[in-house]
Amino acid sequence: DTAVSQTPKYLVTQMGNDKSIKCEQNLGHDTMYWYKQDSKKFLKIMFSYNNKELIINETVPNRFSPKSPDKAHLNLHINSLELGDSAVYFCASSPGTYSYNEQFFGPGTRLTVL
Amino acid sequence: GQQLNQSPQSMFIQEGEDVSMNCTSSSIFNTWLWYKQDPGEGPVLLIALYKAGELTSNGRLTAQFGITRKDSFLNISASIPSDVGIYFCAGLLGGSQGNLIFGKGTKLSVKP
Repeated sequence: DTAVSQTPKYLVTQMGNDKSIKCEQNLGHDTMYWYKQDSKKFLKIMFSYNNKELIINETVPNRFSPKSPDKAHLNLHINSLELGDSAVYFCASSPGTYSYNEQFFGPGTRLTVL
Repeated sequence: GQQLNQSPQSMFIQEGEDVSMNCTSSSIFNTWLWYKQDPGEGPVLLIALYKAGELTSNGRLTAQFGITRKDSFLNISASIPSDVGIYFCAGLLGGSQGNLIFGKGTKLSVKP
């Protein structure tokens, strides 16, 4: 039974399109995160939500909008996709805010913008 | 922004050899974490460190939180082929309740 799941696994789309990535965790965690890993494998946090409330919002273009319908889900919507958005996006969850030592990552969504 | 310098960038070793990698920064951290990422997967936490000087083991892996709180190292003893992957350090800045900052990773290749 997958702890943190993401869909889709792969996403190929054209510049200018709008797309969403979904994330679900079945661990009962209160906090969820989105990370971006670029082509050089550099990993950087984008957003963090605790119980549907935005906690961390790094310097990310406002074309990226996270949505948390409930504490088990954190979706990422991206408007007007650009070439530089191509990356692997990881969702993660942890029991509480900043409890990084108990953080679980999803398998990632590889986004390719053409 | 804050940076972690992780080295080496990549390593090619023979099975059975010991491995050492480290992360340094000009900033003080109050938590250090070490992760491993397999191809096509998300990072998995290996070891978490919370105090300066702390030395923690997880099987063949040993990590230490540097005394100055500006560095950490990870050692892998007697490497095996399944140790292949990318190892990341990550740190939480002192006085911060914020973000985890990641190093750029060490890619480990093990020759059988």
